Amino acid sequence: GENVGLHLPTLSVQEGDNSIINCAYSNSASDYFIWYKQESGKGPQFIIDIRSNMDKRQGQRVTVLLNKTVKHLSLQIAATQPGDSAVYFCSESGGSNYKLTFGKGTLLTVNP
Amino acid sequence: ETGVTQSPTHLIKTRGQQVTLRCSSQSGHNTVSWYQQALGQGPQFIFQYYREEENGRGNFPPRFSGLQFPNYSSELNVNALELDDSALYLCASSLNLAGSYEQYFGPGTRLTVT
Repeated sequence: GENVGLHLPTLSVQEGDNSIINCAYSNSASDYFIWYKQESGKGPQFIIDIRSNMDKRQGQRVTVLLNKTVKHLSLQIAATQPGDSAVYFCSESGGSNYKLTFGKGTLLTVNP
Repeated sequence: ETGVTQSPTHLIKTRGQQVTLRCSSQSGHNTVSWYQQALGQGPQFIFQYYREEENGRGNFPPRFSGLQFPNYSSELNVNALELDDSALYLCASSLNLAGSYEQYFGPGTRLTVT
């Protein structure tokens, strides 16, 4: 079936380094993607989104890259801070506007 | 602007019982979606409500049901609870507009079934 998955379940970086979290998706009909951050005991927090007609989008300290050829999505976090430590999920909405499909998530740990 | 709120925060139920979880959507949002998040997993879509009607459903049995009220708040009801229903239940609100997919999540309700 269609699914969204993550290459790396855990990522540990030093404070100040850049972080890259990767995600593979298999639904070719996916036209919209969202990255969420989830801290322990909290609900997912919207970080950044991208539509399939774009290949790059930048926010504050974050950049999302989309490669539709290989069905790959990445989240780049610049100058990673301890407050960035969390589980990061990519999600996709395969052409529908009512459902988001999530991967398992990547645990990002930022070492001071 | 008021964010998404959910109640209760935590809940413990016994297998076979019924439970009702509540969600208030973000101000200005007319659509509510419910997700189940098992420990260590990503959220799984249960269903969505728009204009008080179910607008889409995931692979969950009929004992999972919901309601949406005129003020856009929503309830998730689960009958005949099973041990595997233990999870974090998340509510997400959004604005149902063509081309708009952004969903904003509440803090969740932690349900434990014993």
